[in-house]
Amino acid sequence: GENVEQHPSTLSVQEGDSAVIKCTYSDSASNYFPWYKQELGKRPQLIIDIRSNVGEKKDQRIAVTLNKTAKHFSLHITETQPEDSAVYFCAASRSGALNFGKGTSLLVTP
Amino acid sequence: DAGVIQSPRHEVTEMGQEVTLRCKPISGHNSLFWYRQTMMRGLELLIYFNNNVPIDDSGMPEDRFSAKMPNASFSTLKIQPSEPRDSAVYFCASSTRTGANYEQYFGPGTRLTVT
Repeated sequence: GENVEQHPSTLSVQEGDSAVIKCTYSDSASNYFPWYKQELGKRPQLIIDIRSNVGEKKDQRIAVTLNKTAKHFSLHITETQPEDSAVYFCAASRSGALNFGKGTSLLVTP
Repeated sequence: DAGVIQSPRHEVTEMGQEVTLRCKPISGHNSLFWYRQTMMRGLELLIYFNNNVPIDDSGMPEDRFSAKMPNASFSTLKIQPSEPRDSAVYFCASSTRTGANYEQYFGPGTRLTVT
């Protein structure tokens, strides 16, 4: 089955700096790659996603890149703010069900 | 729309008891997913349904776990008998998978504690 590796497990940045989270996947048939943000005690919520026919997607301060050949994708958050502090999960899917990475705990300090 | 609804929000039970978790997907969504979240194992898919039909239950830990979707607006996840290692947050999610929209909407989760 699909195996998704996510790094780093924790990340601490200062407000205004950029944050980058990286994921790799094993199943070359995976074609959908979402990123979810989960605040403490809350449900995961989609922040951005990308499909295998696209190399990059941007939404305001958030961007995702995908390298199908290397089977890795990354989340980039620019101009980080304290409210960006949360756990971020990457996922990969070929059939609808999501295979999640283990998560990255991001802390943005003022 | 009320979003995905799960009940109960919290459940505390003793080992050996039967536990039933409930989920109401967003109206019009035709895919439903059950996930389990623990610190050790992260977010794991247990089972998912398309149009009320189970598609992949390979994530169901063992025979103690069973899931049903008798109609488009209701699903249950049952654990019988429950064990302490089943303690986790169980999320239900739904999606439409129409066109290019694959987004899964998560419910608030059920926090299960088995003592």
